[in-house]
Amino acid sequence: AAGVIQSPRHLIKEKRETATLKCYPIPRHDTVYWYQQGPGQDPQFLISFYEKMQSDKGSIPDRFSAQQFSDYHSELNMSSLELGDSALYFCASSLEGPESTDTQYFGPGTRLTVL
Amino acid sequence: GQSLEQPSEVTAVEGAIVQINCTYQTSGFYGLSWYQQHDGGAPTFLSYNALDGLEETGRFSSFLSRSDSYGYLLLQELQMKDSASYFCAERVGNYQLIWGAGTKLIIKP
Repeated sequence: AAGVIQSPRHLIKEKRETATLKCYPIPRHDTVYWYQQGPGQDPQFLISFYEKMQSDKGSIPDRFSAQQFSDYHSELNMSSLELGDSALYFCASSLEGPESTDTQYFGPGTRLTVL
Repeated sequence: GQSLEQPSEVTAVEGAIVQINCTYQTSGFYGLSWYQQHDGGAPTFLSYNALDGLEETGRFSSFLSRSDSYGYLLLQELQMKDSASYFCAERVGNYQLIWGAGTKLIIKP
């Protein structure tokens, strides 16, 4: 079965650079979630999109932005990168509707390292 | 505020049964989800309880008591591959999950 695809899997950037992470949800999933996870920590919710509209916003810094496109893929744009942004970034998707929020399917993650 | 509490670490023996507890303090509670995450891997959905009672899926079961704001994940016939972190999570708003800090399950032969 198709899973959530994230690219790139690994990314190394310098401080103050920008990065774009991409997420391709499972086919027919129209809700996408972004998480940031530091070592030994729980996933921190950043932002979610339902039907290409931002639905909920968590602890996403102002330096980050995201959107969901017409084909339901999503991109997380990160600017003015800081050392503290180094983390695993997960994208998850679910079927339509808030009731599906409880059952999310995660991609393999993008490991971002900021030097 | 909203928070979930679960033990940071649990140790068990291969073949045994282990229970991972989770308490929550929220308003507008919808239900409790459980996810498994191996080191360096992605979280994987295990189970969800919206109503009181036990949900069984193979070796894994999850229980919820809304009156006690409490749930647990039960893992039976433990295997070494079950060594992972286990997170309870709940929905707040429509499209947001908040997560517990995770319980690291250590399984000894």
